[in-house]
Amino acid sequence: ILNVEQSPQSLHVQEGDSTNFTCSFPSSNFYALHWYRWETAKSPEALFVMTLNGDEKKKGRISATLNTKEGYSYLYIKGSQPEDSATYLCAFKRNSGYALNFGKGTSLLVTP
Amino acid sequence: GAGVSQSPSNKVTEKGKDVELRCDPISGHTALYWYRQSLGQGLEFLIYFQGNSAPDKSGLPSDRFSAERTGGSVSTLTIQRTQQEDSAVYLCASSLVRGGTDTQYFGPGTRLTVL
Repeated sequence: ILNVEQSPQSLHVQEGDSTNFTCSFPSSNFYALHWYRWETAKSPEALFVMTLNGDEKKKGRISATLNTKEGYSYLYIKGSQPEDSATYLCAFKRNSGYALNFGKGTSLLVTP
Repeated sequence: GAGVSQSPSNKVTEKGKDVELRCDPISGHTALYWYRQSLGQGLEFLIYFQGNSAPDKSGLPSDRFSAERTGGSVSTLTIQRTQQEDSAVYLCASSLVRGGTDTQYFGPGTRLTVL
């Protein structure tokens, strides 16, 4: 993996369903992995920053895990609600340079 | 407190014109970043400021793009002789210090359309 890849590109679930998506990133030169939520017409909102292999973070119904050795992170949403509809972005930070390297995002639509 | 603000929220311009995009970071944040998202693409890094200095300009796509930051606060991204491929959402972010684990707080973006 040379760049950050996210899958699926889009997802449509019913209210109450639990869902998850994947972020794959280069496993070498890893420094940190960020997750953001971006709702239409709003600013991207930070969800998690993870640095250690095996890290698990939780914020309400949303949680994330990190595997730096194999280069992936999962984001889970339990009991999806319509207000969870947004694009979820992950961003990889190398241990050199200043930039966050973003994936193209997973667009989630939760319908009642 | 106030978040990151950007102006204008939307800008429509004609090919060949110059545009200026403004970013007001969170007060006290020393690090400032510009990104853009073109249609169908992920967020693309453009430039990073620490204080008024820009130690990383590697993402600026051409010499038509420039940016400055004054007083360790407001930043302006200038695009000269705009082209249609410059059409994108331009996002600014700031963080308290420069660090890979520091949360970057984003503004709402400026949607630039070049006709």
